[in-house]
Amino acid sequence: DVKVTQSSRYLVKRTGEKVFLECVQDMDHENMFWYRQDPGLGLRLIYFSYDVKMKEKGDIPEGYSVSREKKERFSLILESASTNQTSMYLCASRQTGEDEQYFGPGTRLTVT
Amino acid sequence: GENVEQHPSTLSVQEGDSAVIKCTYSDSASNYFPWYKQELGKRPQLIIDIRSNVGEKKDQRIAVTLNKTAKHFSLHITETQPEDSAVYFCAASKSNYQLIWGAGTKLIIKP
Repeated sequence: DVKVTQSSRYLVKRTGEKVFLECVQDMDHENMFWYRQDPGLGLRLIYFSYDVKMKEKGDIPEGYSVSREKKERFSLILESASTNQTSMYLCASRQTGEDEQYFGPGTRLTVT
Repeated sequence: GENVEQHPSTLSVQEGDSAVIKCTYSDSASNYFPWYKQELGKRPQLIIDIRSNVGEKKDQRIAVTLNKTAKHFSLHITETQPEDSAVYFCAASKSNYQLIWGAGTKLIIKP
């Protein structure tokens, strides 16, 4: 059974702070994804990674960066948090060659 | 690039009735169309998917239909039950590319 975990369920940060969101999966999946979920906008892809140390920009990468130093861990970094980055952040993983994405529980980030 | 539109944004049906959610996509090269269900406070989970070489797929009370010519696909839920209340997302992708998601449909089952 695939398990994807995220470091925090709820997070409150101040404008300008550096924020780290971490995602860990235990099924040796090569592919990992970071999305943000906003009402009426669905899931928008921020960054994804096909393998260790590889990263690709998604649809809305501005203001974000990522790190994938180990296969099981994919980190999302907000270099200088802004109020428009208040959102639900979802991590997902997928095995190469398969279709299903497995999601983490999400981190609700509030930037004040 | 690919764009996926999903309708309606909210759907309210009487328990026991059927529910239909529709999505249209823009890229004719898209060949994989999944549906995810997200219950309140929980993570999205895949409930059914279809590939472009198939016109319909069914799994108990849920089914997905695909019309490649019109570039739209639909989720059908029959005999709706309270546990079907959730937000449903459609998505589309080309082979092993990232998914492009619809905006979601909030399905409300009235007792």
